[in-house]
Amino acid sequence: DAGVIQSPRHEVTEMGQEVTLRCKPISGHNSLFWYRQTMMRGLELLIYFNNNVPIDDSGMPEDRFSAKMPNASFSTLKIQPSEPRDSAVYFCASTRETIQPQHFGDGTRLSIL
Amino acid sequence: AQSVTQLDSQVPVFEEAPVELRCNYSSSVSVYLFWYVQYPNQGLQLLLKYLSGSTLVKGINGFEAEFNKSQTSFHLRKPSVHISDTAEYFCAVSEAASGSRLTFGEGTQLTVNP
Repeated sequence: DAGVIQSPRHEVTEMGQEVTLRCKPISGHNSLFWYRQTMMRGLELLIYFNNNVPIDDSGMPEDRFSAKMPNASFSTLKIQPSEPRDSAVYFCASTRETIQPQHFGDGTRLSIL
Repeated sequence: AQSVTQLDSQVPVFEEAPVELRCNYSSSVSVYLFWYVQYPNQGLQLLLKYLSGSTLVKGINGFEAEFNKSQTSFHLRKPSVHISDTAEYFCAVSEAASGSRLTFGEGTQLTVNP
């Protein structure tokens, strides 16, 4: 079990640039979640997919954020254009069934200058 | 909709002392309850979960939690902590019937001092 794999681990970029965060869920898991963690707001669910279909994107802060899951083994979270207030740690998590716990990746630490 | 409240943002304790991290939830339907731990610069790891059955749940690293339906609580306990238990702990809830979406509490920073 390789765990949930996120890349990059760290990203520093200037405001206005496009940022793409990547996630590979655990093989066989059919639900995938994107979270954002900040000191001010804690852990926030941004969006989650079930069987590659977005189920709830009500946590996506604004239109600058978009997420895709083209297949069962890959998802992206994109921010375009990025702003300094997007600086946070972004986590991806996956799970197999409703009653199974979510498995988290190690996160991407994003800094927008 | 459900909500989770962790009553203490920071809990400092001495090594080998007992600890309790408090968690209360609010929901109008049956729930599943979880405790996760986050070490610095890492993702969240599952400590334990309550789905049904016995209200006392044992997890990894010597932690346990008790589900109290009447008080809507799910407090985390450990009888004797180690320096290595220093981390942030998150309580989370999901509605049993509606899928695996979790609502997290604000987190409790446990600091174990020598």
